[in-house]
Amino acid sequence: KNQVEQSPQSLIILEGKNCTLQCNYTVSPFSNLRWYKQDTGRGPVSLTIMTFSENTKSNGRYTATLDADTKQSSLHITASQLSDSASYICVVSDGRIKAAGNKLTFGGGTRVLVKP
Amino acid sequence: DSGVTQTPKHLITATGQRVTLRCSPRSGDLSVYWYQQSLDQGLQFLIQYYNGEERAKGNILERFSAQQFPDLHSELNLSSLELGDSALYFCASSEGGAGETQYFGPGTRLLVL
Repeated sequence: KNQVEQSPQSLIILEGKNCTLQCNYTVSPFSNLRWYKQDTGRGPVSLTIMTFSENTKSNGRYTATLDADTKQSSLHITASQLSDSASYICVVSDGRIKAAGNKLTFGGGTRVLVKP
Repeated sequence: DSGVTQTPKHLITATGQRVTLRCSPRSGDLSVYWYQQSLDQGLQFLIQYYNGEERAKGNILERFSAQQFPDLHSELNLSSLELGDSALYFCASSEGGAGETQYFGPGTRLLVL
């Protein structure tokens, strides 16, 4: 069964500090992995997307890494800001043919709280 | 702004009632997805439509149904509502049928009393 596990479940950091979120997956075959940011009560917004051949992708202060061999990804937030307080969701897509429909597996998310 | 619109923003209703949530995808997107997010829970995939046809089904209850119209907007119908159906319902759209980035709408917050 395809699964995506995220850790930690929640995290509190001080403004200006860095943090790293983890995502482990057992989705097979693998197509791509996304990180989404979801502010409370709002729809998720895509931060990064990585395919099998990519092992790092940046979007401003967000840097995602992917190790397809160990089936792990991380999202690193640099110099955190108060606006980074949100849930971060790891989503993995399997590699079936495009016509097969939605094949995304969602992680449970990591809730990040940035304190001043 | 993702380009995906959802109406209404908020909905309060009573148990046993039926409601309809509406979603307009981004211009050019053929796929529409519906998700449920209960309080402090992760996103639960309900159903996907691609160009008017049901493409994939997730954890959607029999009391729930959806459709996608020729103009590609979609409606999610929730009937015989129960207290546990109170949640945020998100619609997302993508260009094709599988694996692409999904763009999420602002959600409809449903409260069943």
